[in-house]
Amino acid sequence: AQSVTQLGSHVSVSEGALVLLRCNYSSSVPPYLFWYVQYPNQGLQLLLKYTTGATLVKGINGFEAEFKKSETSFHLTKPSAHMSDAAEYFCAVAGYGQNFVFGPGTRLSVLP
Amino acid sequence: DTGVSQNPRHKITKRGQNVTFRCDPISEHNRLYWYRQTLGQGPEFLTYFQNEAQLEKSRLLSDRFSAERPKGSFSTLEIQRTEQGDSAMYLCASSQRNGYTFGSGTRLTVV
Repeated sequence: AQSVTQLGSHVSVSEGALVLLRCNYSSSVPPYLFWYVQYPNQGLQLLLKYTTGATLVKGINGFEAEFKKSETSFHLTKPSAHMSDAAEYFCAVAGYGQNFVFGPGTRLSVLP
Repeated sequence: DTGVSQNPRHKITKRGQNVTFRCDPISEHNRLYWYRQTLGQGPEFLTYFQNEAQLEKSRLLSDRFSAERPKGSFSTLEIQRTEQGDSAMYLCASSQRNGYTFGSGTRLTVV
């Protein structure tokens, strides 16, 4: 069985500040981990994913995430927030060939 | 565009009516998934196909819901006798190995 928790349903940062969105997972099999972004009334866009190999994963729009097995975490970071980063962010876990289990999401607000 | 295509983008229907959504996956992807997302929530798994075989169904998929994937290409999701609680975004995704790609979704509003 797999599950995802995302600490903080709403995170606010100032433009130019560090973005940190937290994700913890549980999985009975080696996990594949994903971060998706969703803008209002749109589908999910993949930001980045971890499957195997390097634990620090770089994605689009300057985001990155680090897989820490000992902490069962896959936190998403971006050094400097931009107004266009305001959106809903979802962390997801999957086993190979298995369906995704999504977290409840974190809404990111970027303040001018 | 070789992404996952979903039609229609929006559907408004009266309670009790039947609706059908279509998903066209990336052509070389053999796995296809349907998810439902209600307002303020993460997507929830509904069902999964490998080629034309429906391999897994969530308990969320009541007997009013049916999904098909004839010939292992496009898929349809039908909801019969719609209820207001069916109002949600219905998302389709396809994958092959680790390449999961989501469509833009179909937003259903039941009035």
